[in-house]
Amino acid sequence: AQSVTQLGSHVSVSEGALVLLRCNYSSSVPPYLFWYVQYPNQGLQLLLKYTTGATLVKGINGFEAEFKKSETSFHLTKPSAHMSDAAEYFCAVSEAYSGGYQKVTFGTGTKLQVIP
Amino acid sequence: GAVVSQHPSWVICKSGTSVKIECRSLDFQATTMFWYRQFPKQSLMLMATSNEGSKATYEQGVEKDKFLINHASLTLSTLTVTSAHPEDSSFYICSARDALPSTNEQFFGPGTRLTVL
Repeated sequence: AQSVTQLGSHVSVSEGALVLLRCNYSSSVPPYLFWYVQYPNQGLQLLLKYTTGATLVKGINGFEAEFKKSETSFHLTKPSAHMSDAAEYFCAVSEAYSGGYQKVTFGTGTKLQVIP
Repeated sequence: GAVVSQHPSWVICKSGTSVKIECRSLDFQATTMFWYRQFPKQSLMLMATSNEGSKATYEQGVEKDKFLINHASLTLSTLTVTSAHPEDSSFYICSARDALPSTNEQFFGPGTRLTVL
């Protein structure tokens, strides 16, 4: 069974500071990994994804994440936080399961607060 | 990018009534759509996987007779909450997966806020 753990339900950073949101996963097969962002009362928007190949993945809005198999981690970073980055971020893992369908499991989310 | 819409964006209903939520893929065909439920300040919980032309696959603990799912075409899936009760109040989000081979990316709708009085 697959699972995702996001450390820290709330993270606060100053505007311009480094953003680091942590995600660890558990998967019995090579996983697909995703980061999504959710603004209040809206659906999820894909920030970036890892499937195969390069372990450092660049996404939208200046975010990037690195897949570290040895650490089973997929932490999300951004060098300089903007006020518009304030939102909730979800890490997700996907793998095949019975029936041939891919199932995505989401972490519990990390709410990012950006302080002016 | 691929766009998924949901209708309505919010709905308020009386206890005991049924509510239908539509999920449409606007610019691609989706053989598979997913329905999630999100409680306040919590993550998304998969309710069911909807497959075009066949019965939905429900997750453990989800009442299939209460949450009716129909995926009648490659661009439309509906979720009907039957005999709604206040505890069904939640944010319902659908997602769709492109019919073409992909990296299993799901495209999410904007969600529907259901409030049952």
